[in-house]
Amino acid sequence: AQSVSQHNHHVILSEAASLELGCNYSYGGTVNLFWYVQYPGQHLQLLLKYFSGDPLVKGIKGFEAEFIKSKFSFNLRKPSVQWSDTAEYFCAASPGYSTLTFGKGTMLLVSP
Amino acid sequence: KAGVTQTPRYLIKTRGQQVTLSCSPISGHRSVSWYQQTPGQGLQFLFEYFSETQRNKGNFPGRFSGRQFSNSRSEMNVSTLELGDSALYLCASSLPETNIQYFGAGTRLSVL
Repeated sequence: AQSVSQHNHHVILSEAASLELGCNYSYGGTVNLFWYVQYPGQHLQLLLKYFSGDPLVKGIKGFEAEFIKSKFSFNLRKPSVQWSDTAEYFCAASPGYSTLTFGKGTMLLVSP
Repeated sequence: KAGVTQTPRYLIKTRGQQVTLSCSPISGHRSVSWYQQTPGQGLQFLFEYFSETQRNKGNFPGRFSGRQFSNSRSEMNVSTLELGDSALYLCASSLPETNIQYFGAGTRLSVL
């Protein structure tokens, strides 16, 4: 079965630290990849997406992600986190224009 | 443009009852997907509707059902509620030619 795995369930960082959240997927063919964020008390929002082309994609709020096909990975990065980045982050994948499979999420806590 | 609207926001039910949740997609979006979000399992796909037809279905028992109306609004129904059905139920809409999904705030269901 298709699956998405996120390496860390909880991450705690200090402000200005660099962030990398791991994501691996199990699809063998064409894949669309997403990172969503859920801030406390808010709905899920799209951070960034990869459909094709440049494997390094940039999203909102300074986030970026790199698609590495050979590693089936789509890791999320941010060079310097802020307290306001405290949220739960979800990686998702789909084979083409089909339903999304989500990872179980990574809760990020940024201490000021 | 208004976002995805889910009603009600909160529900408390007892075991054995049934419940109906409603979702109004973004104007122009004809695809609606439903997800169950729990702390242990993350987001799990329930079903997707497009043009009043169920296009995909997740691995949930038949107690979970849904439908879509001609105006793209969707409802999901859970019959014979169990304690384990307590969760945040999320609705997402998307344009048919892309699976960039836009989420509502969710309906939090508590089963006592």
